[in-house]
Amino acid sequence: DTGVSQNPRHKITKRGQNVTFRCDPISEHNRLYWYRQTLGQGPEFLTYFQNEAQLEKSRLLSDRFSAERPKGSFSTLEIQRTEQGDSAMYLCASSLGASGTNNEQFFGPGTRLTVL
Amino acid sequence: DAKTTQPNSMESNEEEPVHLPCNHSTISGTDYIHWYRQLPSQGPEYVIHGLTSNVNNRMASLAIAEDRKSSTLILHRATLRDAAVYYCIRSQGGSEKLVFGKGTKLTVNP
Repeated sequence: DTGVSQNPRHKITKRGQNVTFRCDPISEHNRLYWYRQTLGQGPEFLTYFQNEAQLEKSRLLSDRFSAERPKGSFSTLEIQRTEQGDSAMYLCASSLGASGTNNEQFFGPGTRLTVL
Repeated sequence: DAKTTQPNSMESNEEEPVHLPCNHSTISGTDYIHWYRQLPSQGPEYVIHGLTSNVNNRMASLAIAEDRKSSTLILHRATLRDAAVYYCIRSQGGSEKLVFGKGTKLTVNP
């Protein structure tokens, strides 16, 4: 399967713990995005990378959240000192980054985080 | 963030056409209109996009009003696998992010 993959698929943690999620984009895609989705809502943009450069961050991305894409391939999203409000589905997407009209984003299956 | 306006839910019967409306009254000249859908327990998937002209692809058609303040996603023959939440998204010039609203939950009856 050459789609976007995310690990783990599910994570249960206790409040105050740190968690890290991994996203592997489609191999030739140079843009990578993170979104968060809570129940009954559409996904909310968190941040995006072009290659290894983090180009845009949402104000939703508090200082407890950090994302990296060290070699322009896979990315990690870390949440420090988790809170119950962090419980959500964390979605990763990638795109080819071609200039022009459309930059279709391909989404992974998500990592569901539950903070107890 | 300028989100679009969509009905919360719609119902259709299998093998009938479905017209999903979207309002984007504050759209600017360089903003594209994108549609994504999200099947249960999956990430969103791209459906179609357009700027001014109507667009067709293997999944759907997109009809854009002449003033571009609204658009309609058309599924020509709904199947049970089309049951999903459909998101109409207005991309804002130069920004890569997708700004999702709550979307329209489409139910397809057999």
